[in-house]
Amino acid sequence: RKEVEQDPGPFNVPEGATVAFNCTYSNSASQSFFWYRQDCRKEPKLLMSVYSSGNEDGRFTAQLNRASQYISLLIRDSKLSDSATYLCVVNPLAGTASKLTFGTGTRLQVTL
Amino acid sequence: DAGVTQSPTHLIKTRGQHVTLRCSPISGHKSVSWYQQVLGQGPQFIFQYYEKEERGRGNFPDRFSARQFPNYSSELNVNALLLGDSALYLCASSLTNEQFFGPGTRLTVL
Repeated sequence: RKEVEQDPGPFNVPEGATVAFNCTYSNSASQSFFWYRQDCRKEPKLLMSVYSSGNEDGRFTAQLNRASQYISLLIRDSKLSDSATYLCVVNPLAGTASKLTFGTGTRLQVTL
Repeated sequence: DAGVTQSPTHLIKTRGQHVTLRCSPISGHKSVSWYQQVLGQGPQFIFQYYEKEERGRGNFPDRFSARQFPNYSSELNVNALLLGDSALYLCASSLTNEQFFGPGTRLTVL
């Protein structure tokens, strides 16, 4: 079983749509959780950290369910510029130690 | 403020050669991590350094080594290159638990 699993997509949605991505992780001791966005042939960029209480940043909402080992990302009012690959990322370590474990990514294509 | 910088941006080597990749973290960041990303996959963790000490190592062979300097910059070395080492090599720096990536070095092994 992969440590972090995501549906690879692609998700093709029209502008203005709401789209949700899901991710599961296998290590129940994982400490911190993130969503990164990666454009083609570019580096991953941190989109948001994910907290147990859930958090929102503009059109983006992330949720964490530790009991089910499940992370989600909701994008409302999709824009063309949201087209990218979204990477679910887990860090099993605490403190200054870090070993980010990435899913393979979910590709989003927003169309007119 | 400058982000994470990496050099070179692209590199072509042949099998058996060695390569050194360089990374400068965001000013004030003491931790540097290295990742390998092959096409179609998420990045894979190679090393983490914090305050010049190795804090973590991923599942990579001993041909891969790294170090961190007193100014927190870092080098990744790969010896005896194989075709399968062709990938995007990413460096990330962090102050807390959020990591910020550089643009990467794209290595092609022929």
